[in-house]
Amino acid sequence: EVQLVESGGGLVQPGGSLRLSCAASGFTFSTYEMNWVRQAPGKGLEWVSYISSSGSAIYYAESVKGRFTISRDNAKNSLYLQMNSLRAEDTAVYYCARLQTIVDAFDIWGQGTMVTVSS
Amino acid sequence: QSALTQPASVSGSPGQSITISCTGTSSDVGTYNLVSWYQQHPGKAPKLMIYEGTKRPSGVSNRFSGSKSGNTASLTISGLQAEDEADYYCCSYAGSSAYVFGTGTKVTVL
Repeated sequence: EVQLVESGGGLVQPGGSLRLSCAASGFTFSTYEMNWVRQAPGKGLEWVSYISSSGSAIYYAESVKGRFTISRDNAKNSLYLQMNSLRAEDTAVYYCARLQTIVDAFDIWGQGTMVTVSS
Repeated sequence: QSALTQPASVSGSPGQSITISCTGTSSDVGTYNLVSWYQQHPGKAPKLMIYEGTKRPSGVSNRFSGSKSGNTASLTISGLQAEDEADYYCCSYAGSSAYVFGTGTKVTVL
């Protein structure tokens, strides 16, 4: 079964750091581009970051640029999101999503992990 | 990059057809034929319903169809069913491997 499972969410104080992980299974992870998408409570979806299959190309939304770092370990079938200098507005469910490159659509999503930034 | 504009809510009776619009700009929807649509039930992850503006992934009902004209994409649900009640989001490629989602539309089946 094709599956993505996020972990690492939790409660963190403003200015703090957190590292999210996404474990992939059921497909050849190393051949797919991956993304992080977030959703604040009661709000819409927001694209956060992209990483190419090899990790050589990386892009971020302006709202997280300079604070978040996306990475991957193809040997471990895992995607990561290092989040630093967290703000209250970063509070959201964070989803990892597989990009079906040919059609530029997110075809597989994880169940999400909740990040709460609060003092 | 500003979010694509969708109506906040759309409703219809069982069996009816509804259409959700998604308005972007010439930098995203208007330039790329790469609009996708996602269905999200409460507390669940989004599910891909339409890609490349008009195509359905395997397993998605043919009651769902997509179209695009200029800077506006649309999702039509025909033969509305109770299980279609959910939030729907459009998404467009915006260049440089960046993506922009719509504001989201809550579909209510009356």
